[in-house]
Amino acid sequence: DIQLTQSPSFLSASVGDRVTITCRASQGISSYLAWYQQKLGRAPKLLIYSASTLQSGVPSRFSGSGSGTEFTLTISSLQPEDFATYYCQQVINYPFTFGPGTKVDFK
Amino acid sequence: QLVESGGGLVQPGRSLRLSCTASGFTLGDYAVSWVRQAPGKGLEWVGFITNKADGGTTEYAASLKGRVSISTNYSESIVYLQLNSLKTEDTAVYYCTRGGFNWGQGTLVTVSS
Repeated sequence: DIQLTQSPSFLSASVGDRVTITCRASQGISSYLAWYQQKLGRAPKLLIYSASTLQSGVPSRFSGSGSGTEFTLTISSLQPEDFATYYCQQVINYPFTFGPGTKVDFK
Repeated sequence: QLVESGGGLVQPGRSLRLSCTASGFTLGDYAVSWVRQAPGKGLEWVGFITNKADGGTTEYAASLKGRVSISTNYSESIVYLQLNSLKTEDTAVYYCTRGGFNWGQGTLVTVSS
């Protein structure tokens, strides 16, 4: 199975900060990576697919980059509604594993 | 839209069938995954059924293989997740998702005696 790691696990930030989350895969996955945002008690929401394609309706402050084994999710200017947990997921090989998540909280 | 149902309190060793009812799109045209989330934990991929054109084939997480099966009723636009020999560690919110783009609200399964 392909393992995904995320760093950091927890991040304290302020409104307006630039935030970067990294996802690393245990083997190359080309660009078969998605990023999700999940708020407490809610279903995950797709932000980015194919590593860098912004899902329709997602604000442009979110961006994704990377290929192979290292990927990043960047929020250019953190907004109050962005405080949540973020997960990456690889969709190249079964099982379609998720990363362990990065919780973004108020500083 | 996707709506899950069928969750609830079930005793260890029993079975449960969850439903994921689709509306607004033709279920047979899309693959559907099930994902679960134990209380306070991260997301765990459970399994997947391909679209009708790809034969509706299934894949499952190794940790659940043998205890889980996914099937589709295309005429009713429902995807089922059958969970057998339930264990306390199967307690989770179960989501269905269409390729990650659309998600249901989840249904809580609690396995406890």
